[in-house]
Amino acid sequence: EVQLVESGGALVLPGGSLRLSCAVSGFTLRDYSMNWVRQAPGRGLEWVAHIRENRDTFYADSVKGRFTLSRDNARKSVYLQMNSLRAEDTAVYFCVRDKAWAFDFWGQGTLVTVSS
Amino acid sequence: QSDLTQPRSVSESPGQSVAISCTGTSSDVGAYNRVSWYQHHPGKAPKLIIYDVNKRPSGVPDRFSASKSGNTASLTISGLQAEDEADYYCCSYVDSYTWVFGGGTKLTVL
Repeated sequence: EVQLVESGGALVLPGGSLRLSCAVSGFTLRDYSMNWVRQAPGRGLEWVAHIRENRDTFYADSVKGRFTLSRDNARKSVYLQMNSLRAEDTAVYFCVRDKAWAFDFWGQGTLVTVSS
Repeated sequence: QSDLTQPRSVSESPGQSVAISCTGTSSDVGAYNRVSWYQHHPGKAPKLIIYDVNKRPSGVPDRFSASKSGNTASLTISGLQAEDEADYYCCSYVDSYTWVFGGGTKLTVL
């Protein structure tokens, strides 16, 4: 059974940093691209970042230069380092597996709150 | 990149059919056959129900169908059931490994 479990969400001050983790099981991580998608309170889904099997990374304009996505296939984990956090980054962050240009498995999400 | 445009809400009675539109541009929906749809019950993980415009993943009922014409994609749910009440999002690949979602449509089964 495919599972993705996010962790690391917390309350953080504006300008602060946070690292989210996504532990995967039920499939071979090195064979898949992975993504983070977020949902701000009362808002829709927003694609955030993508990491290919070869570790190339791509970001939404809203987070480019502040967020860094990485992966450790041996540890079966994907990481999202978030720096210079802003109030508008407040959201539930979902770890998502990529299947042929769509997102086929999602985690339950982890809540990030940026507030003073 | 702007969100794809979806109606904020739709409603229909059980057993009926409902269609949800998703309008983008020639740079996203119109450019690629890489439109997907997601069902999201709040508090749960979103679920992929359509990929590549009109393909259903294993386990998704054939009551869910979808199509695309030009810059607009559409999801149709027939034989509505109470459990179909959820938020629905379209998504399109844009380019250079980036994606854009629609704003979401709240489906109410009356």
